[in-house]
Amino acid sequence: DQQVKQNSPSLSVQEGRISILNCDYTNSMFDYFLWYKKYPAEGPTFLISISSIKDKNEDGRFTVFLNKSAKHLSLHIVPSQPGDSAVYFCAATGGTSYGKLTFGQGTILTVHP
Amino acid sequence: DTAVSQTPKYLVTQMGNDKSIKCEQNLGHDTMYWYKQDSKKFLKIMFSYNNKELIINETVPNRFSPKSPDKAHLNLHINSLELGDSAVYFCASSQDGYNEQFFGPGTRLTVL
Repeated sequence: DQQVKQNSPSLSVQEGRISILNCDYTNSMFDYFLWYKKYPAEGPTFLISISSIKDKNEDGRFTVFLNKSAKHLSLHIVPSQPGDSAVYFCAATGGTSYGKLTFGQGTILTVHP
Repeated sequence: DTAVSQTPKYLVTQMGNDKSIKCEQNLGHDTMYWYKQDSKKFLKIMFSYNNKELIINETVPNRFSPKSPDKAHLNLHINSLELGDSAVYFCASSQDGYNEQFFGPGTRLTVL
């Protein structure tokens, strides 16, 4: 039972353009969402998060949008840079699942120079 | 000054052996976690400890036993290793269960 899904296994973008990574969830108890970035042979690194009381959170080139009615969130990276090439994981938590992050399967982003 | 560190980074062993993976965090966090990333790349939580107390214990075989000697350390001991235990194991920590988690570099376990 996959409660967090990232339906695009990969995304290829030109440097300077926008990257949009998508994530869907099914558990309506989730109220806090996070994006992590992962390079090969390293652990995931926290990027940005959003609480369910907001619909947008911005941090530099990274913006996360949350659509609660659609149970959908997206991560926008503008402008994309080659160093952004990595695997991006969406994660969610909430309700009684104290500290338990449920991850999506990840999207491989490749930014071409 | 690594925030969350794990040892070893690679572990190759035979079926049936017992092995341990160590994790330490120097962030002063109260909560620590173990995750498993399987061959399909899914990251799934196994255990969580808050101030040395077990909080989360997912449906993990009892061959896996976490041990928290203090709140800066959470070790994972695995008995009678099986082929299916081959995976990358990540340790993580957070201030509490409601904040972002910081991950270690992972330990790639290969069971032959």
